[in-house]
Amino acid sequence: EAQVTQNPRYLITVTGKKLTVTCSQNMNHEYMSWYRQDPGLGLRQIYYSMNVEVTDKGDVPEGYKVSRKEKRNFPLILESPSPNQTSLYFCASSLAATSSYEQYFGPGTRLTVT
Amino acid sequence: AQSVAQPEDQVNVAEGNPLTVKCTYSVSGNPYLFWYVQYPNRGLQFLLKYITGDNLVKGSYGFEAEFNKSQTSFHLKKPSALVSDSALYFCAVRDPLRDGGFKTIFGAGTRLFVKA
Repeated sequence: EAQVTQNPRYLITVTGKKLTVTCSQNMNHEYMSWYRQDPGLGLRQIYYSMNVEVTDKGDVPEGYKVSRKEKRNFPLILESPSPNQTSLYFCASSLAATSSYEQYFGPGTRLTVT
Repeated sequence: AQSVAQPEDQVNVAEGNPLTVKCTYSVSGNPYLFWYVQYPNRGLQFLLKYITGDNLVKGSYGFEAEFNKSQTSFHLKKPSALVSDSALYFCAVRDPLRDGGFKTIFGAGTRLFVKA
């Protein structure tokens, strides 16, 4: 089954404790992206990757890191989480890095930072 | 800068009635427009898109959307609503970037309630 998977689905952590949210897709998609969803704000892009070893900042990259060492994986790293990073996070992938392709979304990771 | 507006936080309709979820956009150049739906505790699912061509676009689950360039709108419609259509709907516009990639700008979302 074609899908985007994320782990963990739920995470409660404390301020400053490094964490990684994994994202993997099995569709051989070139383009991957991370979003955060906050009430009333829709989804905002954190980082995106056009292909292996190619990543760039989205609209809200502060406090986050990403890497793209393999085509299928695109982990999101929070080196020192803070309470304002409490949010619902989605990973997404798209066939290619051109504008006309729709995105496929993972199930989401709900993160709480206390 | 590209932007998307969904003027209604919530839309209520009775089952069997037609539904419309509104979306307006602001872009420079040709717009690439998308609708996604989010069911509770799920990720977003693609419904339909407008890239070029016919202004009336048909998508999944009986939904359609009409692209109106003069009004810069891309409203989502369905002739007969189902209770199972109750969900959060997002309009999005694709913003091409200089490096050949793109950024997707989402509206704030509209919650649709369909009452039996």
